This record gives sequence, structure tokens and C-alpha cells, in this order.
Amino acid sequence: AQSVTQLGSHVSVSEGALVLLRCNYSSSVPPYLFWYVQYPNQGLQLLLKYTTGATLVKGINGFEAEFKKSETSFHLTKPSAHMSDAAEYFCAVGKERGTYKYIFGTGTRLKVLA
Amino acid sequence: SQTIHQWPATLVQPVGSPLSLECTVEGTSNPNLYWYRQAAGRGLQLLFYSVGIGQISSEVPQNLSASRPQDRQFILSSKKLLLSDSGFYLCAWSASTSSGELFFGEGSRLTVL
Repeated sequence: AQSVTQLGSHVSVSEGALVLLRCNYSSSVPPYLFWYVQYPNQGLQLLLKYTTGATLVKGINGFEAEFKKSETSFHLTKPSAHMSDAAEYFCAVGKERGTYKYIFGTGTRLKVLA
Repeated sequence: SQTIHQWPATLVQPVGSPLSLECTVEGTSNPNLYWYRQAAGRGLQLLFYSVGIGQISSEVPQNLSASRPQDRQFILSSKKLLLSDSGFYLCAWSASTSSGELFFGEGSRLTVL
């Protein structure tokens, strides 16, 4: 069965510092991987996704993630944190094309310190 | 462009009362539809998904039910709410013909007292 593990339910960084949010997955088939962001009392918004091809994926708001099959990881990074990045971030894995099951991690709340 | 709306945004209900949350999608046909529940510190729990009208799959046995009376309408219901039904409910859709992402509604916060 597929699963997603996000290490660290809370992460704090200083403004301007590197953001690194960790995500590991388990899947018996090549996965589709996603990162979503959620601001308070709102729905989830897609940051980026990996389906096939280039393993380094760039998303919105300066975020990027790298799919590492050997490590079963899909960590999210941003070179320089901004106050507006404070939110909760979810990693998710989906199965093959046309799937209707997406498995989400438990989320990482990012706090940005001035 | 496609849009998704769910309502009401906020709901406070007594224990034992009924529930109806509604979600509609515009700008697409035959979407896959989903209801998730988000409890504090527990991530997103898939409750129901639907691949077509009248086709509902339940992921977790519970006090809730879902219906899809029209192609782009998805309803979450309960006959008698429990305290444990409190949470943030999210409707989402995905294109049935691609490996694309989920698109989420704005969410409905339910508090059962």
C-alpha cells in the first residue's frame, strides 16, 4: 500500500533562510508526487507536481522539489524564505494515470521568523 | 476555466442534527469528485470518492454518506451528527482522463456541539 511520511510536523526558519520540508513515500509503482500549500481556513493549492521526466520540478512562489527514486523522497525546498510562506504544506502521492486515490502526508506547518 | 465551490463555509450544529454539505464543479465534465476531512494534526482523510453519477466509494466506515445526483455535484450528508464529526471538510475534483492534480474547494468548517 502507498504511504507518505512528512518528517517534522512543525518547521521554523528565519526570513531569508533556506526552506527544506521533507517527504518520503512508499509505492509499489512509479508514483505521481505532489506538494500542496494550505493557508488558514482555506483549501489546498498545488505548489508543484512530478509525473514523469525531469526529476527536479519547479513550482509556484519559488519552490522546487526533487524526485529521488533511490531514496524514495520528494523534498520541497526554497532558497530564501519569505514571511508569506508561513502555511501548512502537504505532500501527496497518487497512483497511475486516471487514479482516484491520492494519499496525503500529515502536513508540516512552516513558521517564518522575522 | 474550471472552478469548484462548496458551502456552507462555516456550520455549527448540535449533536444529533442532520448535515448537508454541497460541492459543485464548473467548467469540466465527468470529473472525479472527493470529500476529505481534515482534523487538527492528522492531515487529510479521504472519506468518499466518485467517478460518476451515482457511483460512490467509501473509504472509512463512519456516520457520513455521500451522493452524486448530477455530474458536477457532490453532497456530503449525515442523518445524526456526532461530536467526532467536527472538522474541516474539503471537496476536491480531478480530471478523470489525466494524471493531474486535485483541485480543492475552499473548505467547510463544521463544529458539532
